[in-house]
Amino acid sequence: SFELTQPSSVSVSPGQTARITCSGDVVASKYARWFQQKPGQAPVLVIYKDTERPSGIPERFSGSRSGATVILTISGAQVEDEADYYCYSAADNNLRVFGGGTKVTVL
Amino acid sequence: QMQLVESGGGVVRPGRSLRLSCAASGFTFSNYGMHWVRQAPGKGLEWLAVIGYDGSYKFYADSVKGRFIISRDNPKNTLYLQLNSLRTEDTALYYCAKDQDNDWNPDYWGQGTLVTVSS
Repeated sequence: SFELTQPSSVSVSPGQTARITCSGDVVASKYARWFQQKPGQAPVLVIYKDTERPSGIPERFSGSRSGATVILTISGAQVEDEADYYCYSAADNNLRVFGGGTKVTVL
Repeated sequence: QMQLVESGGGVVRPGRSLRLSCAASGFTFSNYGMHWVRQAPGKGLEWLAVIGYDGSYKFYADSVKGRFIISRDNPKNTLYLQLNSLRTEDTALYYCAKDQDNDWNPDYWGQGTLVTVSS
């Protein structure tokens, strides 16, 4: 099915590591990307092609894959990393899909 | 710098139509595919449609196929989304986004325009 499953929420203490998973049949064979969305703001690309980080994105953001699950890791989470995070991948060659989103709380 | 500015949102009655625009600047618009994505109040992101850099390819999510039409005017650096037969569930913030490498994956987004469908 064309669905990407994410946990609804993740909590982390400042300076600790947060991991957000994204799983589904569609991501098993397609690259995924991750977007960060802070309240009242447009989404920002933080990871593409599973592991690539765009210029300007802090090194504490990294991506990885384990089979049909992709993972966004925030190493040494900062208060400013509090946001919703969405994975995104190809549903088929021409259609695209977002995961349901994960609210990351840093406290 | 790169900029995408959406406009055209507003309050509209169910069954009516609306056309959204997205004005692009700061990059060569005609070289990139473009996307529309929406976000209902308090909900997640929903991918809607993508158009190729020259308009020759257009693909739609099943939820809007047959009702919404994506188009572009490259000389005007503008992307459009025609919304027809609007329903209350189409109420959302509509974003346009630039494609990263013409591989149907967005990178840079505008700030969105709000569409409210209500009687």
